[in-house]
Amino acid sequence: GNSVTQMEGPVTLSEEAFLTINCTYTATGYPSLFWYVQYPGEGLQLLLKATKADDKGSNKGFEATYRKETTSFHLEKGSVQVSDSAVYFCALNNNDMRFGAGTRLTVKP
Amino acid sequence: DAGVIQSPRHEVTEMGQEVTLRCKPISGHNSLFWYRQTMMRGLELLIYFNNNVPIDDSGMPEDRFSAKMPNASFSTLKIQPSEPRDSAVYFCASSSLASGTLGEQFFGPGTRLTVL
Repeated sequence: GNSVTQMEGPVTLSEEAFLTINCTYTATGYPSLFWYVQYPGEGLQLLLKATKADDKGSNKGFEATYRKETTSFHLEKGSVQVSDSAVYFCALNNNDMRFGAGTRLTVKP
Repeated sequence: DAGVIQSPRHEVTEMGQEVTLRCKPISGHNSLFWYRQTMMRGLELLIYFNNNVPIDDSGMPEDRFSAKMPNASFSTLKIQPSEPRDSAVYFCASSSLASGTLGEQFFGPGTRLTVL
């Protein structure tokens, strides 16, 4: 079946550090891949997405590349800010939306 | 666009009471999802509808939970009777079937339920 596995948190970084949150998936066919972000007290909101192999999704300095050969969609940002503190969810849509468990990121000044 | 609207935003009730959560999806969206989020279990899909028809309710924890979608612009999730272990944040999300696998879900702000 379809599933998503993402890096367990929590992750704590200093401001301007490099961020990677790993995500791998299991699916048949050609799913679309997403990263959602949840700020405290809010619902999930789409951060970026990629719909086919080798596509790179990007938004707000975050990037993720759809790697079919490694079934991965790792989230990266070169320099995190305190305002990036949130929970990040990897997800896939293969006619059935599946979310990862979420990774809590805390960025300290 | 107003986005997905949920009400109430917060609900505090006593064990045994009936609780009704409400959701208005984004206009034009024809898929609607109910999720529950807790620290222990993370984000769980409870039920989803396509074109107002329940497609998969396998995530509904037990018979105390029920969901309806009487029309394209409104859905309810009811818990009767409520128990303390139902305390969680309940999210509604909507999407467009026409987007297929390309489409994302749009989430509401959630209802924080506390059952005492």
